[in-house]
Amino acid sequence: EADIYQTPRYLVIGTGKKITLECSQTMGHDKMYWYQQDPGMELHLIHYSYGVNSTEKGDLSSESTVSRIRTEHFPLTLESARPSHTSQYLCASSEYGDKKQYFGPGTRLTVT
Amino acid sequence: GENVGLHLPTLSVQEGDNSIINCAYSNSASDYFIWYKQESGKGPQFIIDIRSNMDKRQGQRVTVLLNKTVKHLSLQIAATQPGDSAVYFCAENISGTYKYIFGTGTRLKVLA
Repeated sequence: EADIYQTPRYLVIGTGKKITLECSQTMGHDKMYWYQQDPGMELHLIHYSYGVNSTEKGDLSSESTVSRIRTEHFPLTLESARPSHTSQYLCASSEYGDKKQYFGPGTRLTVT
Repeated sequence: GENVGLHLPTLSVQEGDNSIINCAYSNSASDYFIWYKQESGKGPQFIIDIRSNMDKRQGQRVTVLLNKTVKHLSLQIAATQPGDSAVYFCAENISGTYKYIFGTGTRLKVLA
């Protein structure tokens, strides 16, 4: 079982608030990912990092930002939450040279 | 709990029977494929992977078959158990990229 953690697991927040979703992994993986998943839908890549201080936007524009100051930590920030951000957010990591991705338990976000 | 997969195709099988879940992938340049299992309220869990230079790979009670001619992937679960009930989806990785394309998934229901 992968050692990748996400907090909070559930969050209900009002429109306009700034929020940060936390993701940490203890496996020393270089690559980390953030995905968005709506119920019954496929995962969409929001952000990707291939190492410290290296991040890229994914295909889905979610008006969020990420940072990668430490290898084990990859937080996702929404500057101003909107109801359209209501979704499940999944963090994943993989080792350099290995394509296998390990996922965290997810954060279920509801913006009212 | 979460309502992941409200409108997903559903496969119902009797406990002890074999299950076959199918996936059509989209990109001819994909050279690596993963099957994930996602239980309600949890993140995706890696089941088995296969590279494009293989047609078949077996794990514990699971087998993945790859047909590159028709871009089709299948997951076979032997002697299906109640704990196998979940949403299963495939992911393809485009060669030379970090990008994964995820399927929407199939809900597997195991009948006692």
